[in-house]
Order: sequence, then C-alpha cells, then structure tokens
Amino acid sequence: KQEVTQIPAALSVPEGENLVLNCSFTDSAIYNLQWFRQDPGKGLTSLLLIQSSQREQTSGRLNASLDKSSGRSTLYIAASQPGDSATYLCAVTTGANSKLTFGKGITLSVRP
Amino acid sequence: DGGITQSPKYLFRKEGQNVTLSCEQNLNHDAMYWYRQDPGQGLRLIYYSQIVNDFQKGDIAEGYSVSREKKESFPLTVTSAQKNPTAFYLCASSITRDGPYEQYFGPGTRLTVT
Repeated sequence: KQEVTQIPAALSVPEGENLVLNCSFTDSAIYNLQWFRQDPGKGLTSLLLIQSSQREQTSGRLNASLDKSSGRSTLYIAASQPGDSATYLCAVTTGANSKLTFGKGITLSVRP
Repeated sequence: DGGITQSPKYLFRKEGQNVTLSCEQNLNHDAMYWYRQDPGQGLRLIYYSQIVNDFQKGDIAEGYSVSREKKESFPLTVTSAQKNPTAFYLCASSITRDGPYEQYFGPGTRLTVT
C-alpha cells in the first residue's frame, strides 16, 4: 500500500528565505507526483505535476524535483513571501485509474 | 470560466439524515473523484468514476453513495450509516480515464452533522 509522508508538519520562515519542502513515498512505481497548495477552508490548487519519466518541473518561483528510485520529491520555493503561507500537499498516482495518495501536508508560515 | 463547482459551501444536518453534496464540472473531464479531508489526516478517497454510469469504491466508501448519470455531475450522498460524517469534502476531476492525469479540485463543502 502506497504511503506518502511529509515532514515536518509545520514550518515558519522569515520572508525572503529560500526553502525546501520534502515528500517521500514508499512505492516507487508511480505514474506521477503532484504538489498542491491549500489555503485555509479552500480547495486544492495544483502547483506542479511531475510525470514519472521527468526529474523536475518549474513554475515561477517554484521548482519540484522527483527521485523515483529513492521515493523522494522536493518543492523548492525561492524568495518566499507572506503570500506563500498555506498548506502544501504532495500526492502520488500509483495506478492507471489516477487514484491519488496524499501526504498530510506541510503548513508553511512566511513571516514579514 | 471552466472549472469545478461544489455546493453548498457549508452544510449543516442533524444526525440520522441523509445529505447530498453537489459536484459539477464543465471541463469535459471523463474522471471524477470524491475525497474527504479531516484535520491531521490528509485527503482520503471515497469514490471515483472514470466514465458515465460507472463508479468504484475508494478507500473509505462505507456510509457513502454516488451516481454518475451525466459526465458533468457526480453527486455524493452521505448516508446515516456514515459514523463520522463531519468533514471537509472535496470533489476533483481529471481529463481522461485512460491514464493518470492532473487532477483539478473544487472549492469544497464543509459538512457539519450534530
């Protein structure tokens, strides 16, 4: 059974800092990995999707990497801003039916 | 604008009552999903449908039912058999049933049962 872990559960950093959010998964036979952002009381916004054949994806200040063999992904946020404060969730697809398995998320707080 | 809508945003029900949560998408996606989110537990899959008139149980289907009569709609009924129905419910869709594609999520419905 696929399990996704995100540690730590919460993180607080000063504005401007570059930071890395970690995600690990137990079954390396994934189809893809998605990083999502969730603001309090809201739905999920997809940030980046990495296919299993890819090593990384970039969107603006965000860069996600994937090391499938070691079961790890990182989300790099450059020059963090208070508006980046949210919960970041990692999810992997392990079957062809697009079933996602989620981590519990990392709640990020960026202090002005 | 294309997207996924869920209604209502907040829903309150008495224990023992069935309640139906709405999910509509105009993205022309084949696949639709229902997740439940509890504090500290992440998202868990309740049901999913890859095509009209077909759906499969997810990891926590007990106490829930769904229908998929139209491509655009995938309503979720929380029955009185669901022991702990109070949660945040999220609907999602993806472009095709033939492969694992990016999932897009709706804004969610917060259900409170007392």
